[in-house]
Amino acid sequence: EAGVAQSPRYKIIEKRQSVAFWCNPISGHATLYWYQQILGQGPKLLIQFQNNGVVDDSQLPKDRFSAERLKGVDSTLKIQPAKLEDSAVYLCASSLDGLASSLSYNEQFFGPGTRLTVL
Amino acid sequence: QKEVEQDPGPLSVPEGAIVSLNCTYSNSAFQYFMWYRQYSRKGPELLMYTYSSGNKEDGRFTAQVDKSSKYISLFIRDSQPSDSATYLCASFNTNAGKSTFGDGTTLTVKP
Repeated sequence: EAGVAQSPRYKIIEKRQSVAFWCNPISGHATLYWYQQILGQGPKLLIQFQNNGVVDDSQLPKDRFSAERLKGVDSTLKIQPAKLEDSAVYLCASSLDGLASSLSYNEQFFGPGTRLTVL
Repeated sequence: QKEVEQDPGPLSVPEGAIVSLNCTYSNSAFQYFMWYRQYSRKGPELLMYTYSSGNKEDGRFTAQVDKSSKYISLFIRDSQPSDSATYLCASFNTNAGKSTFGDGTTLTVKP
């Protein structure tokens, strides 16, 4: 079974530039997550999709970050304009069904991440 | 205060040692407790998870949860150099449908 794919693996940009990350989840997984992992910290959830609908984007800085999951499969995360503090690894994860209504834990499978450096 | 606090480390042990990794949490709504392993420049991978209080064993790994004290532990027996990684504890709130991660403990097992 293929894992979660992400691209690019590395990106270096200057502040105020824009950048986009792409994620392809495991086939059949309804739930897709974007996390931000700053060096030395644990992953922090930015946005969670169930199919193509947003379940939770409470920690997404909406003035500069946007995400979409058209057709409920692939997803893109965009930052515009980037700030120095956006330097981090952006992780995409997917699970079969992460909805609260499942009343159980569905394992999240993580991609390798995109390492963003903002200069 | 973070909802999940993890002993920061780093931790360095000789091969064959028993390793103890620890976390505390503050949200009583957490019902599932997970341990992830993250190798350098890789995404986290789930090692094991437990539901509510109790122990769960998988080979050399034992996860322990004490809900009365809100304490989560992972024990690694007969540690190997291949166990060198960052270990992340996490808790899952089924009401909110989302996981909260600790900041990780970096473990080095020296041959």
